[in-house]
Amino acid sequence: DAGVIQSPRHEVTEMGQEVTLRCKPISGHDYLFWYRQTMMRGLELLIYFNNNVPIDDSGMPEDRFSAKMPNASFSTLKIQPSEPRDSAVYFCASSKREAYEQYFGPGTRLTVT
Amino acid sequence: DQQVKQNSPSLSVQEGRISILNCDYTNSMFDYFLWYKKYPAEGPTFLISISSIKDKNEDGRFTVFLNKSAKHLSLHIVPSQPGDSAVYFCAASAHTPLVFGKGTRLSVIA
Repeated sequence: DAGVIQSPRHEVTEMGQEVTLRCKPISGHDYLFWYRQTMMRGLELLIYFNNNVPIDDSGMPEDRFSAKMPNASFSTLKIQPSEPRDSAVYFCASSKREAYEQYFGPGTRLTVT
Repeated sequence: DQQVKQNSPSLSVQEGRISILNCDYTNSMFDYFLWYKKYPAEGPTFLISISSIKDKNEDGRFTVFLNKSAKHLSLHIVPSQPGDSAVYFCAASAHTPLVFGKGTRLSVIA
């Protein structure tokens, strides 16, 4: 298996622009998680899905953030409009069960100028 | 209010010696604990886990110890190797998605 795939690996954008991050989970994993990593806050869970349905989005910082999972093999995290404080590394992870080992993608480093 | 705390941001150890990374938690409902390792520009990778019904789990050079009464777990790496230099995250679960600590950067000096 190729593991969790994320794209792009790096994204540099200007404040106010829309940013879309993409994730392909491991086949057969029913859970998908989106995290944000910053120096100050560490790894924060933003939202997670079970069988393509959002279960908990309480970690999404603002209405500017939205996530979708249209099918079992694809998810997006969108920020619109983006702000400099959104600069961080965003990870996608998948797992077979909710409270089980998660497998992380390589992350997307987002820089908003 | 961090539920999982890694109070040492960094640790330096000589090659061949033991590395001990510590983690404290506050939620007594946590029943499953994990350690992840992260290299620069990569995602965290699962290293070792332990269930609350155990107090020790060993996998090669890596051993995790759990002290439920103290709400404390530790990761021992023996012997430490330069390739172990990475950021280590402690994580915990109470039949919920994992809660992560902020990580400890381990540097193994040759």
